[in-house]
Amino acid sequence: EPEVTQTPSHQVTQMGQEVILRCVPISNHLYFYWYRQILGQKVEFLVSFYNNEISEKSEIFDDQFSVERPDGSNFTLKIRSTKLEDSAMYFCASRGGDRGPQETQYFGPGTRLLVL
Amino acid sequence: AQSVTQLDSHVSVSEGTPVLLRCNYSSSYSPSLFWYVQHPNKGLQLLLKYTSAATLVKGINGFEAEFKKSETSFHLTKPSAHMSDAAEYFCVVSPYGGATNKLIFGTGTLLAVQP
Repeated sequence: EPEVTQTPSHQVTQMGQEVILRCVPISNHLYFYWYRQILGQKVEFLVSFYNNEISEKSEIFDDQFSVERPDGSNFTLKIRSTKLEDSAMYFCASRGGDRGPQETQYFGPGTRLLVL
Repeated sequence: AQSVTQLDSHVSVSEGTPVLLRCNYSSSYSPSLFWYVQHPNKGLQLLLKYTSAATLVKGINGFEAEFKKSETSFHLTKPSAHMSDAAEYFCVVSPYGGATNKLIFGTGTLLAVQP
């Protein structure tokens, strides 16, 4: 069964450093998402991506964040200058076509980011 | 704004007894509702989804949920808990309209299953 994969599974970085979180969505999916879950808090939407551009972003997704689909298979989240409060589990998700809100989003296992 | 409220942060049941995880939603329109499960150190897995085709929705691993518009509820149930059901469960709504269909998560319910 196809699945979403994410690398690395864990990342430790120093405050102010840049990190790139990588995701490989399910092949032939068209919509891609990043969510995050700060320890003890709910899963929050960060950004959605379709047709090579951001389709929606949350207030959390400020200028320090960017997303890219560089090669048609990977989907990356970059944090330019990490802050302590960026420590969280980051989930990538993808969904297939254009059947609207009923369509299932498939999630990867997550990357746990720790900013020191 | 659309949202979901999970009424219990922790639920503990004995193996073989029924499971009830409660969720209420807030939506101006007919929502799309989901239950996802997260086992320790694993990703989020879809259990079931409500898409207005039927109010009683059956999912994987014996779970089901009933959409009750009059009560704005979408509670998750299972007749008999298994040890492997111990996990965190999220009630999720996908807002009506918009192009992105982002998911809005509840705060989660941690289910413990005692032997």
